[in-house]
Amino acid sequence: EAQVTQNPRYLITVTGKKLTVTCSQNMNHEYMSWYRQDPGLGLRQIYYSMNVEVTDKGDVPEGYKVSRKEKRNFPLILESPSPNQTSLYFCASSLSWDRRYGYTFGSGTRLTVV
Amino acid sequence: SQQGEEDPQALSIQEGENATMNCSYKTSINNLQWYRQNSGRGLVHLILIRSNEREKHSGRLRVTLDTSKKSSSLLITASRAADTASYFCATVITQGGSEKLVFGKGTKLTVNP
Repeated sequence: EAQVTQNPRYLITVTGKKLTVTCSQNMNHEYMSWYRQDPGLGLRQIYYSMNVEVTDKGDVPEGYKVSRKEKRNFPLILESPSPNQTSLYFCASSLSWDRRYGYTFGSGTRLTVV
Repeated sequence: SQQGEEDPQALSIQEGENATMNCSYKTSINNLQWYRQNSGRGLVHLILIRSNEREKHSGRLRVTLDTSKKSSSLLITASRAADTASYFCATVITQGGSEKLVFGKGTKLTVNP
């Protein structure tokens, strides 16, 4: 089944403890992106990648890192999480970088930083 | 920056009725996309309509695009309780020399059985 797989689904962590949220897609998509969704603010893009080894900042990149060493994987790294990073996170992928195709989203990761 | 703005913010209807949601945007687009999100779950791509298209259908969904008015509408016919979800439009904007897909804040649709 074509899908974007995020792990974990739920995560509670403490301030400052490094964590990684994994994202993997099995559709050979070029484009991958991370979003966070907060009440009243909608979906905001954190980072995106147009292909392997090509990443760029979205609207809210502070406090996050990403890497794209392989086409299928696009992990989101929080080096020193803070409570304001408590949010619902989504990974998404698309066939090509030019946004001419729809996105496929993962099921989300609900992160709580205490 | 906000590109797509959905209207209304919330809509409550009875099962069997039609639901219409609107999206307005500011800049010229290549395509406009509609997504559905069930509470707390990932977004699901519904329809993509390109700038040279005026109308598109998929099952009970009908999307129209009016580029002169910079607006789009999503019509769900014969709604069902399972259609209860938030619906988002998304458009591509050029920002900082790169293109990005930007989502509106969504219309929350409730279909009462």
